Amino acid sequence: RKEVEQDPGPFNVPEGATVAFNCTYSNSASQSFFWYRQDCRKEPKLLMSVYSSGNEDGRFTAQLNRASQYISLLIRDSKLSDSATYLCVVNMNTGFQKLVFGTGTRLLVSP
Amino acid sequence: NAGVTQTPKFQVLKTGQSMTLQCAQDMNHEYMSWYRQDPGMGLRLIHYSVGAGITDQGEVPNGYNVSRSTTEDFPLRLLSAAPSQTSVYFCASSYLGGHGEKLFFGSGTQLSVL
Repeated sequence: RKEVEQDPGPFNVPEGATVAFNCTYSNSASQSFFWYRQDCRKEPKLLMSVYSSGNEDGRFTAQLNRASQYISLLIRDSKLSDSATYLCVVNMNTGFQKLVFGTGTRLLVSP
Repeated sequence: NAGVTQTPKFQVLKTGQSMTLQCAQDMNHEYMSWYRQDPGMGLRLIHYSVGAGITDQGEVPNGYNVSRSTTEDFPLRLLSAAPSQTSVYFCASSYLGGHGEKLFFGSGTQLSVL
């Protein structure tokens, strides 16, 4: 079983739609969780951290379910500019060397 | 702000050649690292450093060397390139004490080994 698993997609949605991605992780002792965004042929950039209580940043909502060992990302009112690959990142312990990156979920938002 | 600067952006090597990928950051970050990204796989850690003079191996270190003589620079050396090293390479940096947030990446190097 992979340490971090994501549905590769692509998720094809129209503008204005709501879309959600899940990511499962295998290590129950994982400490921290993040969503990064990666545009085609570009570097990954932090989208948001994921807190136990859930957190929201504008149209983006991230949630953590420790019992079922998954995190989710919800995007409301999708924009064309949201088209990208979303990477789930899990820190298995502490320290950056324990960061594990998922393979990413590709989102395509169409007019 | 320059952030993390990687050079070159593209490189083609023949099997057996050596080369150095350059990485520099101007944010005074203690932590620097190199990842490779291959299709269908997440980013995998090659080597990392928590400060000048300190380096350690990541998940896939074989075939690569690093050194950290200054806080700013963290070059990655391919000793004898192999086709299996064809990949996109990213350098990243951050302050120590974080857990994965605010990891700043360079723009990447697309390397092809023939």
